[in-house]
Amino acid sequence: DAGVIQSPRHEVTEMGQEVTLRCKPISGHNSLFWYRQTMMRGLELLIYFNNNVPIDDSGMPEDRFSAKMPNASFSTLKIQPSEPRDSAVYFCASSLDQAAGAQYFGPGTRLLVL
Amino acid sequence: AQKITQTQPGMFVQEKEAVTLDCTYDTSDQSYGLFWYKQPSSGEMIFLIYQGSYDEQNATEGRYSLNFQKARKSANLVISASQLGDSAMYFCAMRESRRGGNKLTFGTGTQLKVEL
Repeated sequence: DAGVIQSPRHEVTEMGQEVTLRCKPISGHNSLFWYRQTMMRGLELLIYFNNNVPIDDSGMPEDRFSAKMPNASFSTLKIQPSEPRDSAVYFCASSLDQAAGAQYFGPGTRLLVL
Repeated sequence: AQKITQTQPGMFVQEKEAVTLDCTYDTSDQSYGLFWYKQPSSGEMIFLIYQGSYDEQNATEGRYSLNFQKARKSANLVISASQLGDSAMYFCAMRESRRGGNKLTFGTGTQLKVEL
């Protein structure tokens, strides 16, 4: 079975540009999570969806970040405008919403904002 | 207060030996879950093992076992018969059912190096 799919795997952009990260969760999973990982701050939850509805976006850094989940098989995380401090690895993860539901991570998108 | 504490930034172990990676947690919930993830140098996050707060037996998955001591609020990962491929960063995480919904809180990780 396919795992969580993320695209692109690498992104290099210039400050001020819009960046869109994409995620396809594991089929049948009803929760989807966006994380950011940096050396300084570790692994941070940005936002999570349950049944395509945003449940908690308290980790979204600021208005420059937005996330959508138009259907059960697709989500996007958009940064507009991007800044150098947004450089990080962005992970998408999905799970079944149950007590023992482990989150399964995608390979991540390495973002570098110059 | 930190929800998940991993006090060992780095650990070394010889191949074929067992190693314990420490994790303590803080919660007032009665129902919660504890998870361990592995992140090799390639960067992916790999789910290893899960322990529920009501599980009476320690979880095991192959060479991985979770030493769950509820009264001490610890959930240490034990890797038996270490292999070179076990060299990676290991993260402990907790799901608090009441407060956090399906959210996981991660620790800062322990970097494990397996040596010949």
